[in-house]
Amino acid sequence: DTGVSQDPRHKITKRGQNVTFRCDPISEHNRLYWYRQTLGQGPEFLTYFQNEAQLEKSRLLSDRFSAERPKGSFSTLEIQRTEQGDSAMYLCASSTRTVNEQFFGPGTRLTVL
Amino acid sequence: AQTVTQSQPEMSVQEAETVTLSCTYDTSESDYYLFWYKQPPSRQMILVIRQEAYKQQNATENRFSVNFQKAAKSFSLKISDSQLGDAAMYFCAYSQGGSEKLVFGKGTKLTVNP
Repeated sequence: DTGVSQDPRHKITKRGQNVTFRCDPISEHNRLYWYRQTLGQGPEFLTYFQNEAQLEKSRLLSDRFSAERPKGSFSTLEIQRTEQGDSAMYLCASSTRTVNEQFFGPGTRLTVL
Repeated sequence: AQTVTQSQPEMSVQEAETVTLSCTYDTSESDYYLFWYKQPPSRQMILVIRQEAYKQQNATENRFSVNFQKAAKSFSLKISDSQLGDAAMYFCAYSQGGSEKLVFGKGTKLTVNP
């Protein structure tokens, strides 16, 4: 299966710790997206990459959040000094062109104690 | 800002029957796209159907079809001959032309009863 993969699938951390998530998109997809989904809500857009360039960031992406896609392949999302409000499912998606189908990964569920 | 509203938190349907999920959206744009995504329990989200706003014809994918009412800003999903595997959260989503991000509604949980 060559779909979008995310690692880890689950992460439990203590408040104040830093965490990093990884996303591997479908190999030929040059667009990569991060979303956050809290319980009972739909996903909310965080940021978007085209190749290695980060082209759009949501105001939800505070200074504690940083995302990279260094070689235009996999991406990482880091959260520094985690807070309990950061507890959510973090979804990654990829696509080949604008407004084409976004293929979603299984997500990383973050729990901040 | 664009918003997407799904007014039905939960819906249920008998196997083999038809169910319609509602979605309304708010935008002042003329160029946009609408989507229905399915998120089964503990599984990843997949695209069910897509509609371009400039197309008057309603999109259809096998048992799934939409009723796109552009003037009313309504985009409902009809599932015909419901199957047990259709049980999932269904999210309506909007994307403005030229933008990459999807704006999602809060979702509708669909239960299919045998």
